[in-house]
Amino acid sequence: EAGVAQSPRYKIIEKRQSVAFWCNPISGHATLYWYQQILGQGPKLLIQFQNNGVVDDSQLPKDRFSAERLKGVDSTLKIQPAKLEDSAVYLCASSMDPGDYNEQFFGPGTRLTVL
Amino acid sequence: AQSVTQPDIHITVSEGASLELRCNYSYGATPYLFWYVQSPGQGLQLLLKYFSGDTLVQGIKGFEAEFKRSQSSFNLRKPSVHWSDAAEYFCAVGLSGGSYIPTFGRGTSLIVHP
Repeated sequence: EAGVAQSPRYKIIEKRQSVAFWCNPISGHATLYWYQQILGQGPKLLIQFQNNGVVDDSQLPKDRFSAERLKGVDSTLKIQPAKLEDSAVYLCASSMDPGDYNEQFFGPGTRLTVL
Repeated sequence: AQSVTQPDIHITVSEGASLELRCNYSYGATPYLFWYVQSPGQGLQLLLKYFSGDTLVQGIKGFEAEFKRSQSSFNLRKPSVHWSDAAEYFCAVGLSGGSYIPTFGRGTSLIVHP
């Protein structure tokens, strides 16, 4: 079974530029999560999708971050414009559904460096 | 709000030695508790979880953890560490009766000496 795919794996941009990350969850997983992991910290949830609807985006900085999952499968996370403090690893995870406990499976992440 | 503390930023052990990684949580009721491992360049992998029942939980790769309500702790243990166990370990807590989405601690980096 293929795991969660993310691309690109690495991205270097200058502040005020825009960047987009892509995630393809495990086939059949209805729930998709985006996390931000700043160096030296644990992952922090940014947004949770159930199919193509947003369940929780309370910690997403909506003035610069946006995310979509239009067809309920893959997802993109965008930052526009980027700030220095956005340098982090962006992790995507998926699970079968959020009702009963279903394990989250994580992708390898995209490491973003903002100069 | 729930929170989780991992007091050790780095832990160094010799291969074959025993390991204990500390985790303390703050929450009014019994939370869901998790341990994850993150190898360099890879995503997080669930080692084990505690929801209820037996307070000693067995996980993958020979790891176990014990939930101690009186100490608000969920420490991870392994009797004999292998060089391949070198990684970042995250304790996480989720709300009981509701969200299974984990809130993560800052992690403990495990260094294994040959």
